[in-house]
This record gives sequence, C-alpha cells and structure tokens, in this order.
Amino acid sequence: AQKITQTQPGMFVQEKEAVTLDCTYDTSDPSYGLFWYKQPSSGEMIFLIYQGSYDQQNATEGRYSLNFQKARKSANLVISASQLGDSAMYFCAMRDDGAGSYQLTFGKGTKLSVIP
Amino acid sequence: NAGVTQTPKFRILKIGQSMTLQCAQDMNHNYMYWYRQDPGMGLKLIYYSVGAGITDKGEVPNGYNVSRSTTEDFPLRLELAAPSQTSVYFCASSYLSNQPQHFGDGTRLSIL
Repeated sequence: AQKITQTQPGMFVQEKEAVTLDCTYDTSDPSYGLFWYKQPSSGEMIFLIYQGSYDQQNATEGRYSLNFQKARKSANLVISASQLGDSAMYFCAMRDDGAGSYQLTFGKGTKLSVIP
Repeated sequence: NAGVTQTPKFRILKIGQSMTLQCAQDMNHNYMYWYRQDPGMGLKLIYYSVGAGITDKGEVPNGYNVSRSTTEDFPLRLELAAPSQTSVYFCASSYLSNQPQHFGDGTRLSIL
C-alpha cells in the first residue's frame, strides 16, 4: 500500500500568488514525521519543512507552511507569495517511527511551475 | 560549507562492471543513507547506517553493498552493474534519526 500520496503531478501558479501542494499519508504508528523537499531542475534535494506527529502547531519556515490535519492524514505544503525560483519538483516524505525504522518514504512528487 | 559530498557526479558503466559511489559528510552526523531516484519517481532507500560499523538494508538493497568504517564516509558498491541500476543516487545524512536529512547533489549513473 502506498504510504505517501501526492495526487497532483503538476501545478501552475501565478507569481506572487499562494499555492497548496497536497500530500496524504498512511501509517498506523502514532509517532511519525512529515517532511517536504524541493528538487530544482539542477537535481539537488533541498529540505524545506518538518512536522512531527505530536506537534500541536502547524510548522512554518519563512514562506513555507505545513497544513497538518492529523485526522485526515494530510500534510499539505503551502507556499505563499510564489516566486519564479519556486519552480521545481516538490516531494512529501514520511518517517515512520514504528519498529525502529529510519527511512524516509517519498511520494512521487508534484511539479510546480510559477508563471510570470 | 561542504555538507554531504558525492563523487562522481556522472558515470557511465558497462553491464557487469563494478564501481563505488563515494559519500562523505563533515557535519559529524551519525546517520547516513543511500537512496536511488528513478525517472518520475520519489526516492527509495537502498541502505542506511546508524553509526560507524553498523549498516542495514532499506527498501531496495539487491545488487548493492555498503560499508561504514568511519563516521564521515559511507560508500555504496555496485558489484555487477545491470541496466536496472540506471538511476540517480543520493546520499544523505542526519544527526539523529528524527531530524531532517541533508542530501548530497547526487550521482547520475547509466548502465549500458
């Protein structure tokens, strides 16, 4: 069963507008972590934001915020005031803490294109 | 700020050849990881290490081997290259298992 689902293969957003990238996850473990990474066309993986399953408040990092809805098992990334440099692939990932697992499970990604 | 350094950046191998992908980090991180990323897909974990001398298999370990003799280095070995191993390989590290992983720039490997 797929643990991380990103249903939007591609998204377009106008420069300076906000955009939400969807991510749903599946786990039965009460302890887990959720991550978002950005992969520009140059190929590197850049960490953006982290949300722990026990965190009471939604994580924020500058223009990035994570809309964490635990009951719905969703962890959507919100980018405010989009910039041209935000055009990239965005991956949602989960670290499932059950059974001492250390790996990140990644979704298939969403390609974001920012339009001038 | 070196962070996680991977070498080489690109490599073409013939079927059956062997090679080692190098990964080094200078952040004194305990945890290190190897992932592969196939076209249009997310990353999949090959092997990971929780410290020097300790390694374990991830989701897709077949055809690969690793070692961790020092905290800094975590090389990935391909013994008999196969076309299915054509991929982009990423090394990552973190200080603790519950902290964000920092990635190298990747190695693009083609097996022909």
